[in-house]
Order: sequence, then structure tokens, then C-alpha cells
Amino acid sequence: DARVTQTPRHKVTEMGQEVTMRCQPILGHNTVFWYRQTMMQGLELLAYFRNRAPLDDSGMPKDRFSAEMPDATLATLKIQPSEPRDSAVYFCASGLSIPQPQHFGDGTRLSIL
Amino acid sequence: DQQVKQNSPSLSVQEGRISILNCDYTNSMFDYFLWYKKYPAEGPTFLISISSIKDKNEDGRFTVFLNKSAKHLSLHIVPSQPGDSAVYFCAASVGSYQLTFGKGTKLSVIP
Repeated sequence: DARVTQTPRHKVTEMGQEVTMRCQPILGHNTVFWYRQTMMQGLELLAYFRNRAPLDDSGMPKDRFSAEMPDATLATLKIQPSEPRDSAVYFCASGLSIPQPQHFGDGTRLSIL
Repeated sequence: DQQVKQNSPSLSVQEGRISILNCDYTNSMFDYFLWYKKYPAEGPTFLISISSIKDKNEDGRFTVFLNKSAKHLSLHIVPSQPGDSAVYFCAASVGSYQLTFGKGTKLSVIP
């Protein structure tokens, strides 16, 4: 079964450090999403791309977060500088278009001390 | 403003019985609805979906019902099995691929 691959699976770092999370979407999928899951907010959409072009990043704090797709096999989410409130599980998902469902990776669990 | 609500944070059901998970939404423009299942330390996995032009969709033990007038969605699992124990998320979209998720309901199926 094709899967969305996320690295790292876990990341612990100190406040102020740069964090980079990576995602390899399923081959052939043209849409990639970044979500953040917290206890309080549940699953929130941060940004998404179609054919590598950013379509919506309104869910992302612009001053510290950035999302890119350098090529069709890699999506990155960066936080600089990181803050304790960024601690969460970050999921990447990929898909084609409705009615095809999005497929999620297993997430990066981020802890900012 | 939470557009997709799952008002029951948890649900316990005996093995073999029916599990009913509920979801309410406020945006009448939503036209596509999905249920995802999530195990600990894994990503959500797609379970079943329904378009707003239908009121029921069935896949094996899983059936999703849509009541547009009530803006209500439900997932029925019959019969429930211990392996169904997971967190279930309801999600909805408006004519695009952008999904809005509920906060999830944790289902525990007791053997």
C-alpha cells in the first residue's frame, strides 16, 4: 500500500530553535496538506498545495511558519523561531481531488521546551 | 466558530452491538462529508464518505447517514468489534478539497 511518509516522527527541541518537518506524498497525488492536531483545537488545516503551488496558508502563523514544496516528492513545514505553544502533532496528507479521500501520514510529534 | 461538531468526546459499546457516532455541522454549503478513524500514534485513516446528494452510504459494517435538513451526520458500525476502538473524526468540505474536521469521538468497544 502506498503511504504518506513523514520525518521525523518525534522532535524535541528548545524554544527559539528552527524546526523542519518533511513529508513525502503518495506518488501521483497532486494535492498536499499540512495539519496540526492539539487537544484544544483538534485537527486544524495549516496550508495546502496543488501541483506544488500554495493554494491556502491562512491557517498558518505567517511570522514563524513557512511551507514549501521544492519538488513533487517533498513538502516541508518550517517553524523559526519555535515556541512552546507550537508543541503538537503535525500531519501531512496527500490526495487527488474530491471524491477521492486524503491520505494521512503518521505525523511528527513536536515538543518545544 | 466550530463548523463541524462532535458533541460526544467518548462512547463505550459492547462487542457485537451497534455503535452510533454523531456529527453536527453549521455550514449549509458543505457538500461532501467523510469519516476518518485514528489509532494512537498513527495518522487518520479514511473510512467512508457521502455526497450531499445522497442520504445514505454503506460499506460493509459501516453506514453513514446524512440528514441535510437537520445538518446532522451519523456513522453506524454494526456489529462493533474490539478492533473498532479508535478515535473517529467527522470532516466536511465545500466544493473543494479543503476539509474541516470535528474534534473526534473516542470509541471503546468492550469485549
